[in-house]
Amino acid sequence: KQEVTQIPAALSVPEGENLVLNCSFTDSAIYNLQWFRQDPGKGLTSLLLIQSSQREQTSGRLNASLDKSSGRSTLYIAASQPGDSATYLCAVKEGSQGNLIFGKGTKLSVKP
Amino acid sequence: DAGITQSPRHKVTETGTPVTLRCHQTENHRYMYWYRQDPGHGLRLIHYSYGVKDTDKGEVSDGYSVSRSKTEDFLLTLESATSSQTSVYFCAISGIGTSGSYEQYFGPGTRLTVT
Repeated sequence: KQEVTQIPAALSVPEGENLVLNCSFTDSAIYNLQWFRQDPGKGLTSLLLIQSSQREQTSGRLNASLDKSSGRSTLYIAASQPGDSATYLCAVKEGSQGNLIFGKGTKLSVKP
Repeated sequence: DAGITQSPRHKVTETGTPVTLRCHQTENHRYMYWYRQDPGHGLRLIHYSYGVKDTDKGEVSDGYSVSRSKTEDFLLTLESATSSQTSVYFCAISGIGTSGSYEQYFGPGTRLTVT
């Protein structure tokens, strides 16, 4: 059974720092991996999707990497801002139309 | 944004009453999903649908049923609500995104409280 783990569960950093969020999964046979952002009381916003054949994806200050063989993904946030404060969720999909299997998230707080 | 809405957005109900949550999409996607989100558990799949009248169970399906009579609507029913079903419920649809890969798009969620 696929399991997704995110470390750390919470992270507090001063504004301007570069930071890395980690995601690991137990079964490397994934279709793709998505990173989401969730603000308190809100829905999920997709940030980046990495296909199983890809190594990384970039969007603005965000860069996500995927090492399928080791079951790891990282989300790199450059020059963090207070507006980046949110919970970040990692999820893997095992088939093209399969459901997503989520980690429990990392709650990020960026202090001015 | 993907055209996916949920109703109601908030609901408070009493133990033992039936409750139906609705998910509506305008994207004509075949696959639809219901998840629940709870502190300490993350999001977990309740049921999913792969077409009209075609549904299957997910990880936490006990106490829930679903129906899909039209492509655009996926209903989640709690036959007799219990306090353990207090949660935030998210609907999702699956379609080809800009990446060229199947992505899931989420609705805004329904916050359900069972007293």
